[in-house]
Amino acid sequence: QLVLTQSPSASASLGASVRLTCTLSSDHSGYVVAWHQQQPQKGPRYLMKLNADGSHTKGDGIPDRFSGSSAKAERYLTISSLQSEDEADYYCQTWGSGFVVFGGGTRLTVV
Amino acid sequence: EVQLLESGGDLVQPGGSLRLSCAASGFTFNSHAMAWVRQAPGKGLEWVSIISGSGDGSFNADSVEGRFTISRDNSKNTLFLQMSNLRVDDTAVYYCARDPHSTIAATLIFDYWGQGTLVTVSS
Repeated sequence: QLVLTQSPSASASLGASVRLTCTLSSDHSGYVVAWHQQQPQKGPRYLMKLNADGSHTKGDGIPDRFSGSSAKAERYLTISSLQSEDEADYYCQTWGSGFVVFGGGTRLTVV
Repeated sequence: EVQLLESGGDLVQPGGSLRLSCAASGFTFNSHAMAWVRQAPGKGLEWVSIISGSGDGSFNADSVEGRFTISRDNSKNTLFLQMSNLRVDDTAVYYCARDPHSTIAATLIFDYWGQGTLVTVSS
C-alpha cells in the first residue's frame, strides 16, 4: 500500500534552516513526490516536484530558499533563511495508477 | 495568470445533493487534467477525483466512488463535481486543482490550486 508519512510538527527559528521529511512506504522508494504549502486560512500552493534522484522542478515564483533532496525512501524539503510567512502546513503528495495520496502534513512553526 | 475559482458550497442535509463548480482562467483549459481535493475541518488534504483534459477519463477516491461525479465543460472553462447521497463526513472545504498534463495515464500532480468552497453536511 502506497503511504506517505510526515512528522506532525516542526519548529525552527527565524532566519535559520529547516528540513522536512516525507517517507515513502516500503517498495515505493522510487516514487516521485510533490510538495505543497498551505498557509493559514489559504488554499494550498505547489512548491515543487521531487524525483528519487533528488532533482526537482519548482513551481512558478517559488523562491530559491526552497529546495528538495532525496535519499532512498525519504523525500526532503529544505527551507533556508526562514521567514515568518513560511509558517504553514506542508504536504507531500504522490500517485499510483488511478489514485493520488497525500501525506498527513507537517505544521511548521517559525519561532 | 492562472486562476481557479470554486463556487457552490452550501449547507446540505445528509442524503442530499450538491454541485460544485470551478471557473478556470489564464490557461488553455482543455490542455490540463483537473482535480478536486478536500480538507475536513482541522484535517489534512484528501484527494477526491480527477478528470483528463478531454474529459474522456476520470478516477475517483474509494470514499466517494458511486456518489460523486466529476465532469467538465471545456467550452466554458469550468470543472464540476456533482455530489449525491452526501454524508456528514463529506463536510470539508473542496479545492479545485490543475494538473500540468492533459492525460491522467501518467503523472498526477497539482501545480495550481483554488481557494476552496465549504460544503457542510448536517441535519
